[in-house]
Amino acid sequence: DQQVKQNSPSLSVQEGRISILNCDYTNSMFDYFLWYKKYPAEGPTFLISISSIKDKNEDGRFTVFLNKSAKHLSLHIVPSQPGDSAVYFCAARRRNNFNKFYFGSGTKLNVKP
Amino acid sequence: DVKVTQSSRYLVKRTGEKVFLECVQDMDHENMFWYRQDPGLGLRLIYFSYDVKMKEKGDIPEGYSVSREKKERFSLILESASTNQTSMYLCASSPPATESLTYGYTFGSGTRLTVV
Repeated sequence: DQQVKQNSPSLSVQEGRISILNCDYTNSMFDYFLWYKKYPAEGPTFLISISSIKDKNEDGRFTVFLNKSAKHLSLHIVPSQPGDSAVYFCAARRRNNFNKFYFGSGTKLNVKP
Repeated sequence: DVKVTQSSRYLVKRTGEKVFLECVQDMDHENMFWYRQDPGLGLRLIYFSYDVKMKEKGDIPEGYSVSREKKERFSLILESASTNQTSMYLCASSPPATESLTYGYTFGSGTRLTVV
């Protein structure tokens, strides 16, 4: 049973608009969340993270929001650029578990020029 | 530039063969991981290691084994390859949990394995 879920396999957005990628989780023991970005034929690269003690973290065009009561996090990209087109994975770590992360199934973002 | 290097980008193997996937990291990381990526399933953890000669099963260890004889090298072994092991295999490394909160894992570029 997947503990981290990304229910939208794909998302298409116009350049300059906001992209919102969503992620839900089931385990209340998760203490740390990350977003990774993956281009074809490359490994995932770290994008942004958030601790469970926060509800927002911002880095340039990227903002991650965490709603612990809903067990939901989202990644906002503003403004979206064609180079943002990639697969985005959210990942969650369970407290005191060897830094092992659980990954969602990914959302493929397409930013149209 | 820190790196996780996977020895092969593409591999084609026959059913029943023993397959070795190699991963080397140059960051002196304690933790190393093997994931497989399949469409619609995301990244699933096969095995991980938190120290030399130490290993722990992940979520889907069946049909796989691992070896970590040196800190920098973590090998994934398919004992007898089967067609359902056709997948993208990703190796990753990280420092201990307390140090890695800012960036999680560093991944290799992946090995696309096809079993025919």
